[in-house]
Amino acid sequence: KAGVTQTPRYLIKTRGQQVTLSCSPISGHRSVSWYQQTPGQGLQFLFEYFSETQRNKGNFPGRFSGRQFSNSRSEMNVSTLELGDSALYLCASSLPGDGGAQYFGPGTRLLVL
Amino acid sequence: QQQVKQSPQSLIVQKGGISIINCAYENTAFDYFPWYQQFPGKGPALLIAIRPDVSEKKEGRFTISFNKSAKQFSLHIMDSQPGDSATYFCAASPDNNAGNMLTFGGGTRLMVKP
Repeated sequence: KAGVTQTPRYLIKTRGQQVTLSCSPISGHRSVSWYQQTPGQGLQFLFEYFSETQRNKGNFPGRFSGRQFSNSRSEMNVSTLELGDSALYLCASSLPGDGGAQYFGPGTRLLVL
Repeated sequence: QQQVKQSPQSLIVQKGGISIINCAYENTAFDYFPWYQQFPGKGPALLIAIRPDVSEKKEGRFTISFNKSAKQFSLHIMDSQPGDSATYFCAASPDNNAGNMLTFGGGTRLMVKP
């Protein structure tokens, strides 16, 4: 079974731009969560989508948003990019009834200049 | 507020030794405690996980010990190998019915010397 895939793997943007990242979960997984990883703040939860609905949200500004499609694929969007948004953005998927296990993709490394 | 505290930040162990990483949590609503292993340039990989109804879980060379009253849990890596050199994260999550949102510890960079 293929793992979680994320595209693109690397991205360079400038301040003020917006960016969209994509995540395809493991086949059959309906929950998709997004995390931000930085050297300073570590791994932080952004939001979770389940059955096309945002089920949980972390403590991030409204510039960070996401959505989930009927095939469980998910996108996250960051508008008005700031230098501090430079990070590795990780997507994780999980299977209902799997006890909470989340499986991560390789991440998208975003650099904001 | 850091809800999961992890120590040490870095650890050097000789090949064949035991690596021990500790975590403490504050939120009593946490119900699921996984450990992840991350290599440079890769996403975190689920290693082993435990729930509060058991005090220990072992999978191969990896063991989680869990102390509910102290709100602490730890990862033991037996017979540590150079290939185990990676960053390890503990995490915690509330009841799965509430959704999937992991709170991570700060990470431990493990180096196993040959």
